Amino acid sequence: EADIYQTPRYLVIGTGKKITLECSQTMGHDKMYWYQQDPGMELHLIHYSYGVNSTEKGDLSSESTVSRIRTEHFPLTLESARPSHTSQYLCASRLDRGDYTFGSGTRLTVV
Amino acid sequence: QKEVEQNSGPLSVPEGAIASLNCTYSDRGSQSFFWYRQYSGKSPELIMSIYSNGDKEDGRFTAQLNKASQYVSLLIRDSQPSDSATYLCAVKSGGGADGLTFGKGTHLIIQP
Repeated sequence: EADIYQTPRYLVIGTGKKITLECSQTMGHDKMYWYQQDPGMELHLIHYSYGVNSTEKGDLSSESTVSRIRTEHFPLTLESARPSHTSQYLCASRLDRGDYTFGSGTRLTVV
Repeated sequence: QKEVEQNSGPLSVPEGAIASLNCTYSDRGSQSFFWYRQYSGKSPELIMSIYSNGDKEDGRFTAQLNKASQYVSLLIRDSQPSDSATYLCAVKSGGGADGLTFGKGTHLIIQP
């Protein structure tokens, strides 16, 4: 049973809306990540964090932003959703040098 | 740009046979290598990790790493229909952004 939780599981939202995708883990992991995955395509790293108040951009440019105010919580925000943001968003965490644990993902559709 | 290449498949293997999945990577500084299994619509789940040249076995799974050839493989023995999934190769580089670089995955079908 994974100890990393993502909500919502599915989200359909209109263009221009602000959305926040939630990610929480109960394992005390310092490092957390957001990946984006389009159908049939590879996962791309869009954000990561080494710990509280640490956020970095990943390899794939993204219009989303993240925050890390608490160790267990790493939300991702889109200020103004567009159809090009339609994708699956996967959150992951790990201890330093540990294995990555993935959440169940949020499948976002912007109409 | 760091790249991880996999044959997208589908790779079709009879039940009980050995499935062989291959992956090459471009960054010679890569240190850690992972195989994930992803069922359709689900999140990736870790199958194997390997860090040094040679073979690593875990049950029906064997990972093989050859850093000189920049090549990683996964063998699945006694393949079962439940092994049908997309297998993702992922690489952790020594520098740059933290996190894993993934291949597009190989779609494996085990035929009963």
